[in-house]
Amino acid sequence: DAGVIQSPRHEVTEMGQEVTLRCKPISGHDYLFWYRQTMMRGLELLIYFNNNVPIDDSGMPEDRFSAKMPNASFSTLKIQPSEPRDSAVYFCASSLSAGNEQFFGPGTRLTVL
Amino acid sequence: AQSVTQPDIHITVSEGASLELRCNYSYGATPYLFWYVQSPGQGLQLLLKYFSGDTLVQGIKGFEAEFKRSQSSFNLRKPSVHWSDAAEYFCAVVPMEYGNKLVFGAGTILRVKS
Repeated sequence: DAGVIQSPRHEVTEMGQEVTLRCKPISGHDYLFWYRQTMMRGLELLIYFNNNVPIDDSGMPEDRFSAKMPNASFSTLKIQPSEPRDSAVYFCASSLSAGNEQFFGPGTRLTVL
Repeated sequence: AQSVTQPDIHITVSEGASLELRCNYSYGATPYLFWYVQSPGQGLQLLLKYFSGDTLVQGIKGFEAEFKRSQSSFNLRKPSVHWSDAAEYFCAVVPMEYGNKLVFGAGTILRVKS
């Protein structure tokens, strides 16, 4: 298996633009997680899905952030409009079952100018 | 407050020396426990995990961790550090009372000097 795949690996955009991050989880994994990593706040869970259904989005910073999982093999995290404070590394992870180990993708480094 | 604490932000050890990275948690029930490693510019890789049973857990790359319920700790150890171990290490827990959320510590950056 190729592991968790994220695209793009790097994204540079200007403030106010829409940004879409993409994730393909490991086949057969029922859980998908989106994290954000910054120097100031460390690793934060933004949202997670179980069987394509959002379970907990309490970590989503504000309404500018949205996440979808239209099918078991694809998820998106969208920021609209983007702001400089959204600059971070965004990780997607998946796991086979509840509480089990999570497998992380390589991350998307987002820079908002 | 309920949390995961890694008290050491940076640790420097000599190559070949032993290593211990500390992790404490403060949750009511014993959570699932994990250690992840992150090399610069990379994602997180699982080193080892503890769910139940033997409190000494063996992981990849020669790492081990010991769960101590009385101290709410899950410290990571390696008997002899290699230069390639230089990375950031994260302790993480899945607290039973919070469903499937993985809660991370702040991380410990390991530097290895030759």
